[in-house]
This record gives sequence, structure tokens and C-alpha cells, in this order.
Amino acid sequence: GAGVSQSPRYKVAKRGQDVALRCDPISGHVSLFWYQQALGQGPEFLTYFQNEAQLDKSGLPSDRFFAERPEGSVSTLKIQRTQQEDSAVYLCASSLGGRVGGETQYFGPGTRLLVL
Amino acid sequence: QQPVQSPQAVILREGEDAVINCSSSKALYSVHWYRQKHGEAPVFLMILLKGGEQKGHEKISASFNEKKQQSSLYLTASQLSYSGTYFCGTEHTDKLIFGTGTRLQVFP
Repeated sequence: GAGVSQSPRYKVAKRGQDVALRCDPISGHVSLFWYQQALGQGPEFLTYFQNEAQLDKSGLPSDRFFAERPEGSVSTLKIQRTQQEDSAVYLCASSLGGRVGGETQYFGPGTRLLVL
Repeated sequence: QQPVQSPQAVILREGEDAVINCSSSKALYSVHWYRQKHGEAPVFLMILLKGGEQKGHEKISASFNEKKQQSSLYLTASQLSYSGTYFCGTEHTDKLIFGTGTRLQVFP
């Protein structure tokens, strides 16, 4: 497939469990972004990678959230000790170049996380 | 900090026009517009860059007023497929900050 893919598409976790969300960006795309989207809201920035370097993690809500992109392609967003407020759709996006301005971000379908 | 969009919701008959506005309290370097249908990924529509350059969609146009820190999206002769929630994203350093969203419904 040519687009951004994410897995799993749906995840139900019990409060306190750890979860790992995967993003496969478009091949060759330098930049990768993670967003959190609450119901009825716009996507909210979490973190940004340029190749394997995490250049901005200012949007991560707490130290329970951790993201990595070790080889500059696939990325994983890990949430430790999940809480009910973590329930949301987690979107991944990638763009071809290494800057935000003027670059189209292509979004994946998202992972819908429900914490019970 | 989050851009404010207006109106919050629009209902149209097929063939009618609509304007969606995006207003930021911070200086704008670029504005990105996306449309999202329920349960789907946001889909790119258009980018407007400081200096007037636009990249995007054939049937949708937009304006970018740097002084007023505003952008507007113009949908003409709307089609049923235009239904969805529209988000503007404003560029701040290395991230996009998305707006409050405008829900658009087009009926036959």
C-alpha cells in the first residue's frame, strides 16, 4: 500500500496496562508525526521525528508516553500504565521533507484506544 | 493558542457555497487545511504559504491574510462528498496546531 498504515486499528486496554501503537509511514518520508484526537476535537500534536531523531516531544502529556523511530521508518508510540483519560484516537502522519512549512502531511487511519 | 474556526457547523444544499474561517492569535507562517470524515483519517486539501503561494485542490480555494492572522476556505458548488469536518492547521516552529473544526453537511 502507498499510504500511512497504523496498527492495531482498535485497542481496548484495562487501566494500568501498557500499550504499543505502530505506525508505518509512506516509504521514503523523512518526517513522522504523532497526534492525539479526542472525540469531536482536532488532532493535537504529540511528537515529531526527522528520520530517527525525535526533534520535538513537547506534546507528550506525561512521562508515561514514549515514542521511538529507531531506524527512521516505522515508529511506535508506547503508553505505560494507561489511564482512562488516555482514551482517544492516535493518528500518525508522515511528510516527504524535513520541515513542516509547505509540506503535506499524510495521515494514517488512526488507532482508537479505549481504556476501561 | 489553538486557532478558532467559524462557523462551528454549516448545513448546505448540494450546489451551494460555503466559507470557513480560521483565526490565530499568533503570527502565521503557513496554513494547512484538511477534511475528515467520521472514523477516517484527515485528508489534505490545501496549504497556503506566507508570501501567497498555494498548493492544493482544484475545486477548493483559500485565502491567507498574514496581517490579520486569518485564513478562509471557499467551497463553491458544494457536492455531497464535501460533507465532513474541516480543520485548519497553523504552523508553529516544527508543529501544526489544529483548529477547533467546522462540521459541514451537504444534503441533496
